[in-house]
Amino acid sequence: DADVTQTPRNRITKTGKRIMLECSQTKGHDRMYWYRQDPGLGLRLIYYSFDVKDINKGEISDGYSVSRQAQAKFSLSLESAIPNQTALYFCATRAGGGSYNEQFFGPGTRLTVL
Amino acid sequence: AQKITQTQPGMFVQEKEAVTLDCTYDTSDPSYGLFWYKQPSSGEMIFLIYQGSYDQQNATEGRYSLNFQKARKSANLVISASQLGDSAMYFCAMRGPHFGNEKLTFGTGTRLTIIP
Repeated sequence: DADVTQTPRNRITKTGKRIMLECSQTKGHDRMYWYRQDPGLGLRLIYYSFDVKDINKGEISDGYSVSRQAQAKFSLSLESAIPNQTALYFCATRAGGGSYNEQFFGPGTRLTVL
Repeated sequence: AQKITQTQPGMFVQEKEAVTLDCTYDTSDPSYGLFWYKQPSSGEMIFLIYQGSYDQQNATEGRYSLNFQKARKSANLVISASQLGDSAMYFCAMRGPHFGNEKLTFGTGTRLTIIP
């Protein structure tokens, strides 16, 4: 089984709808992240969390909210989806401590907002 | 601000040849980490290799090595003996002391195609 899972893998929705993307991990990592990937722009950080009680905004948090329900679960919500939120969304995890620890990414969720 | 530049949008390489993917970075912070990730057509991001700013030696992981030239602020990925399965997008990324040292700044990627 994959260490970092994301559901759904694909989602098509309409403008104005509320959407939740879910992420679960079995790696036992404290730190979790949400990124979005747009063509030609690489990945950009939306939110990150050190633990259940420590959630922080990334560089592009406007229009998004998150919830860390447990150490292993981190969900991303779009309160009112808009077309420019169409993107590939990645969840990632990292062990705490050294800066050398890499982030492990989930398989991604492809979101289309019509 | 941190910035990663990958100047090769696409590369075509003959199978079994070595390939170098370019990455330059810009930061004023003395402490940072450099990463390479592979993204196959299936979409997942796969970690390949890491280099710390204070590491004295170039990092190596199997067929992957990182040519780290600190003074030139470059961190090129070298893949030896390329294989068809190496065809993918490759991203260079940097982590530094912004956003609690948690943000990875990614380049725009290089699409590598291995030709049989």
